[in-house]
Amino acid sequence: GNSVTQMEGPVTLSEEAFLTINCTYTATGYPSLFWYVQYPGEGLQLLLKATKADDKGSNKGFEATYRKETTSFHLEKGSVQVSDSAVYFCARETGANNLFFGTGTRLTVIP
Amino acid sequence: KAGVTQTPRYLIKTRGQQVTLSCSPISGHRSVSWYQQTPGQGLQFLFEYFSETQRNKGNFPGRFSGRQFSNSRSEMNVSTLELGDSALYLCASSFTGTGGGTEAFFGQGTRLTVV
Repeated sequence: GNSVTQMEGPVTLSEEAFLTINCTYTATGYPSLFWYVQYPGEGLQLLLKATKADDKGSNKGFEATYRKETTSFHLEKGSVQVSDSAVYFCARETGANNLFFGTGTRLTVIP
Repeated sequence: KAGVTQTPRYLIKTRGQQVTLSCSPISGHRSVSWYQQTPGQGLQFLFEYFSETQRNKGNFPGRFSGRQFSNSRSEMNVSTLELGDSALYLCASSFTGTGGGTEAFFGQGTRLTVV
C-alpha cells in the first residue's frame, strides 16, 4: 500500500548544526518523492523532489537522495539557519496529482 | 505568476451548518487537489479535479464534496458541519514537472473552526 514514515519530531538544533530528517516509503514501483516545507501560518512549499531511483533533489542547501535499496529519501542540510525553522513533510506521489504525506517533522533552530 | 489563492483565509461556523471554500489555481494549471490538515491526522487527501472532472477521491464521508469550473477554479463544500471538521483546508494546483512527477503548489489555506 501507500505509506510514508517520517522521523518523529520535534527536532531542535543549534545554528550551523547538521540536519537529517529520515523518511522511508512503501510502494510498488518507483513513485516520485518530495520534501515540502511549511512555515508558520503558511501553506506548503515544494522544497525538492526526485522522480527516479538514485536521483538527488537539492534546493537552498537541502538535499535528499532517492534510494530504492533502502526505500528511503532522507532530508539533509549541512548547516542549518534560524530561518529554516519550520515543519518538513516527506511525500510520495500516489496517483494522478495526489500526494501521500508523512506526519511532518517540526524543526526549531536556535541561535 | 500569481500563486494559488484560497478564500476565505479564516471561517467560523456552527455545527450543522454548511461551508464553501474557494480555490483559484495558478494560471494554466488544470489539476486542483484538496487536503485537510489537522494536528491529529496530519495531511489527508480529499479529492482531485482535472478539467472539471473528479479523478481521485480520498477516504472522507459524502458530506465533503467539490467541483471545478471551466476556468479551473475549484470549490469544496462541507455540509452538516461537525466539530471534527475544524482544520486547515489546503488547495494545491499541479502540473507535471520537468523530468516527470507532479509538482503541487499550495495555497495558504482556509482555517475552518466549527463551534
